[in-house]
Amino acid sequence: ILNVEQSPQSLHVQEGDSTNFTCSFPSSNFYALHWYRWETAKSPEALFVMTLNGDEKKKGRISATLNTKEGYSYLYIKGSQPEDSATYLCAPKENTGFQKLVFGTGTRLLVSP
Amino acid sequence: NAGVTQTPKFQVLKTGQSMTLQCAQDMNHNSMYWYRQDPGMGLRLIYYSASEGTTDKGEVPNGYNVSRLNKREFSLRLESAAPSQTSVYFCASQGRLNTEAFFGQGTRLTVV
Repeated sequence: ILNVEQSPQSLHVQEGDSTNFTCSFPSSNFYALHWYRWETAKSPEALFVMTLNGDEKKKGRISATLNTKEGYSYLYIKGSQPEDSATYLCAPKENTGFQKLVFGTGTRLLVSP
Repeated sequence: NAGVTQTPKFQVLKTGQSMTLQCAQDMNHNSMYWYRQDPGMGLRLIYYSASEGTTDKGEVPNGYNVSRLNKREFSLRLESAAPSQTSVYFCASQGRLNTEAFFGQGTRLTVV
């Protein structure tokens, strides 16, 4: 099973703050990286699927970058809003056999008004 | 288009009872997954099915069995429920490998 680390474990920011989190993974045998947003009492929803080194993706105020050579991805939220409060999960996929979806423990974000 | 449907939504079991959690997807996806939600540990993979007719263990398979009945359906069975299996269970499906996965609404299981 791929060793995935997400940091920080939790984060509490004020409305309007910008923030970022990290997903670290082994750089060898990289295949793809998924980011998901998981609100309390709901189901996880996909944000991004990234495959190429240097990839940068954006959805509204949320963006992500990928560095496959050093094994990390950053997720940025610009001008956080209370509705951004959620757990953000990453799932790197290895290029060995079937590329199953195994998640890190997530970063729990709380945005206060 | 329902996406991924899980049944039941809620269930209470007594220790030692058995039950099957059902999952069906209508997106013609090849891959399906079962996860459990544990506090502080995010989503942990129980079993997965890369394609119809195949299943494989994930991170925490002990105490569970699965069946990929056909391309649409992937069920999770608890043969003898234990309190440690109290959790929220999510089923997910995925089409091609570099596409996003879609999740069901979850099944909240309590074992007393």
